[in-house]
Amino acid sequence: AQSVSQHNHHVILSEAASLELGCNYSYGGTVNLFWYVQYPGQHLQLLLKYFSGDPLVKGIKGFEAEFIKSKFSFNLRKPSVQWSDTAEYFCALDTGRRALTFGSGTRLQVQP
Amino acid sequence: GAVVSQHPSWVICKSGTSVKIECRSLDFQATTMFWYRQFPKQSLMLMATSNEGSKATYEQGVEKDKFLINHASLTLSTLTVTSAHPEDSSFYICSARDPSEGYNEQFFGPGTRLTVL
Repeated sequence: AQSVSQHNHHVILSEAASLELGCNYSYGGTVNLFWYVQYPGQHLQLLLKYFSGDPLVKGIKGFEAEFIKSKFSFNLRKPSVQWSDTAEYFCALDTGRRALTFGSGTRLQVQP
Repeated sequence: GAVVSQHPSWVICKSGTSVKIECRSLDFQATTMFWYRQFPKQSLMLMATSNEGSKATYEQGVEKDKFLINHASLTLSTLTVTSAHPEDSSFYICSARDPSEGYNEQFFGPGTRLTVL
């Protein structure tokens, strides 16, 4: 069965710091990968997605992620975080069975 | 993007009662919807796949008699938590794929927070 691992459970950064959140998955076939963000009290929002093609994908709000197939990774990055980026971030995997498999989430806290 | 709504957004009930949660796709038809559960500070776990016009498919460990799913139309799926107990308190989230988006992206509802006293 497929799985998604997010090793950073809680990250605290100062504003303007660079961000990288790790995401590794376990599945031997073709995958679609997603990063979702959940702001406090709000529902999940899609940050970015990878289906095929350029492994470096750009999303909303300055986020990007790189798919490295050999490492089974899809790390999320942002060069300079803002206080408004404080949220929970989820990496998710789609193997074609239509439902998503989520990682455990990373809570990002940005201090002003 | 497509919009998925849920109702109610939060509900408090007494132990032993049943609670119905609705999930609607507002601007598209969804033959399949998904129900997830999110416990505090944890990730989303798939509970079941709701199929329009047929029985839902439940994930291992999810009691189908406790979590009744009805997908009566192409825009509505309901989850009924029967004989709710405090351990059922959680955040329930539904999602659906929009066929016009090639089924590639899943759109999530805002979630329903259930508290069982």
